[in-house]
Amino acid sequence: KQEVTQIPAALSVPEGENLVLNCSFTDSAIYNLQWFRQDPGKGLTSLLLIQSSQREQTSGRLNASLDKSSGRSTLYIAASQPGDSATYLCAVPNYGGSQGNLIFGKGTKLSVKP
Amino acid sequence: DAGVTQSPTHLIKTRGQQVTLRCSPKSGHDTVSWYQQALGQGPQFIFQYYEEEERQRGNFPDRFSGHQFPNYSSELNVNALLLGDSALYLCASSGSGVAPTDTQYFGPGTRLTVL
Repeated sequence: KQEVTQIPAALSVPEGENLVLNCSFTDSAIYNLQWFRQDPGKGLTSLLLIQSSQREQTSGRLNASLDKSSGRSTLYIAASQPGDSATYLCAVPNYGGSQGNLIFGKGTKLSVKP
Repeated sequence: DAGVTQSPTHLIKTRGQQVTLRCSPKSGHDTVSWYQQALGQGPQFIFQYYEEEERQRGNFPDRFSGHQFPNYSSELNVNALLLGDSALYLCASSGSGVAPTDTQYFGPGTRLTVL
């Protein structure tokens, strides 16, 4: 059974710092891995999707890496800003399932202090 | 281009009641998935609808049922509400055939409180 874990559960950093969020999964047979952002009480916004054949994806100040063999992904945020404060979730498709059936971690709550 | 929309935004019900939540997918999408997100947890997959049929189901009791209409919009129904059903209910849509590489687009959610 696929399980997704995110460490740390919460992180507080001063503005301008570079930071790394971690995601691990137990079954390496994944189609892809997706990182989402969620603001309090709101829906999810897709940030980056890494295909199983890729090692990393970049969008602006965000860079996500994927190491299938070790069951790990990281989300790197450069030059953090107060507007980056949110909960970040990673998710993988359930094995054999369609993209719609995602298994999520519990998320990392990020707070960036001005 | 409207994204995924959900209604209502908030809902308060009492134990034993029934509730219906609604979702309209992003334009051009024909597959709808529903998730339940308890406070402090990641979303959990409830079920997915495609071509008006339930295609996949997560580990949720039969009290949770759904429907998809010809215009691809969807409803989530929960009967005999329990306190533990209090959560944010998220709808997500994706494109035709739902290849595993498709990105999911999520709606803003419906906050259900059961008293």
